[in-house]
Amino acid sequence: GAVVSQHPSWVICKSGTSVKIECRSLDFQATTMFWYRQFPKQSLMLMATSNEGSKATYEQGVEKDKFLINHASLTLSTLTVTSAHPEDSSFYICSATSAGVIEAFFGQGTRLTVV
Amino acid sequence: AQTVTQSQPEMSVQEAETVTLSCTYDTSESDYYLFWYKQPPSRQMILVIRQEAYKQQNATENRFSVNFQKAAKSFSLKISDSQLGDAAMYFCAYRKGGANSKLTFGKGITLSVRP
Repeated sequence: GAVVSQHPSWVICKSGTSVKIECRSLDFQATTMFWYRQFPKQSLMLMATSNEGSKATYEQGVEKDKFLINHASLTLSTLTVTSAHPEDSSFYICSATSAGVIEAFFGQGTRLTVV
Repeated sequence: AQTVTQSQPEMSVQEAETVTLSCTYDTSESDYYLFWYKQPPSRQMILVIRQEAYKQQNATENRFSVNFQKAAKSFSLKISDSQLGDAAMYFCAYRKGGANSKLTFGKGITLSVRP
């Protein structure tokens, strides 16, 4: 399958700072990328859908001013957690797909710890 | 709205035995896809198997097969000859047809394999 690379794998940041997570499709052009949040032993919760060149569509209850998503190219989407707080600590996962592709390909995930 | 239900939070199987993981879904769409994803302790999401709704034949991938009952909206995963490496969380997922539609996940099931 296609390769999606997510960086960093883990990050620790201080409360009040911002952190950026990158999601890259390495061998295909991803017209759509999805960002998920996952708590331990729980399912993936979709945060937002981003289409290349368009504003992201956020799921209900997700603060768009706190979780800034940019999808400026067909190979890169970024999630910026602004003014992070300890409750933002979680595992964040991206996935990418493209028109005509049935499955979505997942990045390795990023473990964010806010201290 | 589409929903995916995995009612068993945990299951255990003896190595070399067979286990079946249950999943039901609800949709009013006629064009859709169903998936089983595996998430090992590394937390990398791995596609195990997929089923197109229009296909009557059940999908098979080596030791993994599904029992797709469209009328009953049931999509169970059978793992034959279970191996220690099969221990993971398994998620059933649905997405409707069309370009770039999002995945809807079940709550997941934790499978343990006894040596």
